[in-house]
Amino acid sequence: EAQVTQNPRYLITVTGKKLTVTCSQNMNHEYMSWYRQDPGLGLRQIYYSMNVEVTDKGDVPEGYKVSRKEKRNFPLILESPSPNQTSLYFCASSPTRLFGTIYFGEGSWLTVV
Amino acid sequence: AQTVTQSQPEMSVQEAETVTLSCTYDTSESDYYLFWYKQPPSRQMILVIRQEAYKQQNATENRFSVNFQKAAKSFSLKISDSQLGDAAMYFCASFGNEKLTFGTGTRLTIIP
Repeated sequence: EAQVTQNPRYLITVTGKKLTVTCSQNMNHEYMSWYRQDPGLGLRQIYYSMNVEVTDKGDVPEGYKVSRKEKRNFPLILESPSPNQTSLYFCASSPTRLFGTIYFGEGSWLTVV
Repeated sequence: AQTVTQSQPEMSVQEAETVTLSCTYDTSESDYYLFWYKQPPSRQMILVIRQEAYKQQNATENRFSVNFQKAAKSFSLKISDSQLGDAAMYFCASFGNEKLTFGTGTRLTIIP
């Protein structure tokens, strides 16, 4: 089954404690990206990757890091989480930059206290 | 920079009636794609319909269709024969220059 898998789905953490949200896709997609969803703001792109070892900033990259060492994985790293990073996070993948179909993960609820 | 504007934060429609959700966008790209996504209470992102900007014909998917006005940069979604299962948040999105940009969403309520 084609899918994008995010973990953890739910997390409560404390300010400053580094965390990683993993994202894995089983469709051999080149394009992967991360979004955060906040009330009244829709989804905003954090980072994206066109292929292995190729990443670039989206609209709200501050406080986040990513890596793309393998085609299937695209983890989101919060080095020092702060309360303003409390949000719902989505990972997505697509076969090409021209977006045949975008596949979204189920989302990860992150709370930073 | 790309922008996507959804000017209707909330809409409601009687079951079996037709409703249109508005979306305008701005992009400097000549090659781009437009999408409507549905997000039910489960928060899953579900693709409703997709439109390639170079195609003049409006996309349709069963009860869902779009009115794509390229010159006006408008991309509205029409839902015909509304059903209770259509109740959700709907997001308009534009892809160009490797970025997918979303609007702020329209919450659609279906009145039985």
